Amino acid sequence: QVQLQESGPGLVKPSETLSLTCAVSGDSISSGYYWGWIRQPPGKGLEWIGSIYHSGSTYYNPSLKSRVSISVDTSKNHFSLKLSSVTAADTAVYFCARQLSDSSGYSYWFDPWGRGTLVTVSS
Amino acid sequence: QTVVTQEPSFSVSPGGTVTLTCGLRSGSVSTSHYPSWYQQTPGQAPRTLIYSTKSRSAGVPDRFSGSILGNKAALTITGAHADDESDYYCMLYMGSGTWVFGGGTKLTVV
Repeated sequence: QVQLQESGPGLVKPSETLSLTCAVSGDSISSGYYWGWIRQPPGKGLEWIGSIYHSGSTYYNPSLKSRVSISVDTSKNHFSLKLSSVTAADTAVYFCARQLSDSSGYSYWFDPWGRGTLVTVSS
Repeated sequence: QTVVTQEPSFSVSPGGTVTLTCGLRSGSVSTSHYPSWYQQTPGQAPRTLIYSTKSRSAGVPDRFSGSILGNKAALTITGAHADDESDYYCMLYMGSGTWVFGGGTKLTVV
């Protein structure tokens, strides 16, 4: 059974860089899937941040692209998120998830999801 | 403004049928947007219900079904249970390797 677990600081100061890691167990991060980050501000909806393939190929949300970097470490079976120049608007629960695809190679969806970790941006 | 639109809230009676929709502020949703649907209860991670418009994820009861209705993606719950009371989110593929979630629908079973 695949499990994902987010980890990282729960408090980040404004203008600094948010860094999170997602540890994957029960599956190899090199198994041919994309892996993604999604966030949810308190009381609000979901926002896709970006996705990465084990080769390092990435896709980012255009609205965050200038501040986001996602990387993968196959030796540690985890992938990471960095979000720079954070503000209070970046306060959210951050989820990591495996991104599955069907045989067409065009349809992608997230399953399963990690439990999420709350990151608060405050001085 | 949210590009992908969902009803903010909906209510259904126990045993009833409800259809939640997922549209675009501009244009129509088609199977080429590969709609997926997620259920989320407060404080929990989302659970995948439907992918590729109408395929059910493993373990999802067949009372949940997905389709395209007119110019929107739709999630229909037939015979609603009390524990179906949740937030429901759709996600669409917008091309060029980007995905967008809808704003979510809060479903009340009462």
